Amino acid sequence: DGGITQSPKYLFRKEGQNVTLSCEQNLNHDAMYWYRQDPGQGLRLIYYSQIVNDFQKGDIAEGYSVSREKKESFPLTVTSAQKNPTAFYLCASSIEGNTRTQFFGPGTRLTVL
Amino acid sequence: RKEVEQDPGPFNVPEGATVAFNCTYSNSASQSFFWYRQDCRKEPKLLMSVYSSGNEDGRFTAQLNRASQYISLLIRDSKLSDSATYLCVVNKAGGYQKVTFGIGTKLQVIP
Repeated sequence: DGGITQSPKYLFRKEGQNVTLSCEQNLNHDAMYWYRQDPGQGLRLIYYSQIVNDFQKGDIAEGYSVSREKKESFPLTVTSAQKNPTAFYLCASSIEGNTRTQFFGPGTRLTVL
Repeated sequence: RKEVEQDPGPFNVPEGATVAFNCTYSNSASQSFFWYRQDCRKEPKLLMSVYSSGNEDGRFTAQLNRASQYISLLIRDSKLSDSATYLCVVNKAGGYQKVTFGIGTKLQVIP
């Protein structure tokens, strides 16, 4: 079955640690995205990538980093510089085109202890 | 003014009722519009696209009003399984088509 997978589902981190969230898709989509969702707020874009080896900052990129070495994979690293990293992180992908409907992975819930 | 605004609700409606949500957007250059459904602690899933002519999918009807810059979602004969948060999504054209999500409207259908 085609889809997007994210791992782990739950992640606990101590303050000062970097953590990497995995996102893999087998939909053959060119574009991939990372969002965070906080209670009472809409999804906010962290980073996006339209093609391999290229990515752009979204609205809240500070304290995060990404790589796009393969079309299928778009890992997100939450660094110790991110002041408030506890959130629900969602990865998405889409085909190029005008409509840009996005397909989401199941998400990773990150909690900083 | 926020780019995309939704009433967060919750909307509590009895089973079988008809309920409507609106979503306003501020950028007149917005090109495409969608409704997503998000269940509690799950990922958003595309419910339907929204076209100027209006479109229907079973009990769900979506409308776009470009002049007043809002989209709407109408749910007829509400089911318990319709309980979820409904996200309004607006795409703006450009080199990167900026996608903006509303905060979502929470619907609770009660027996």
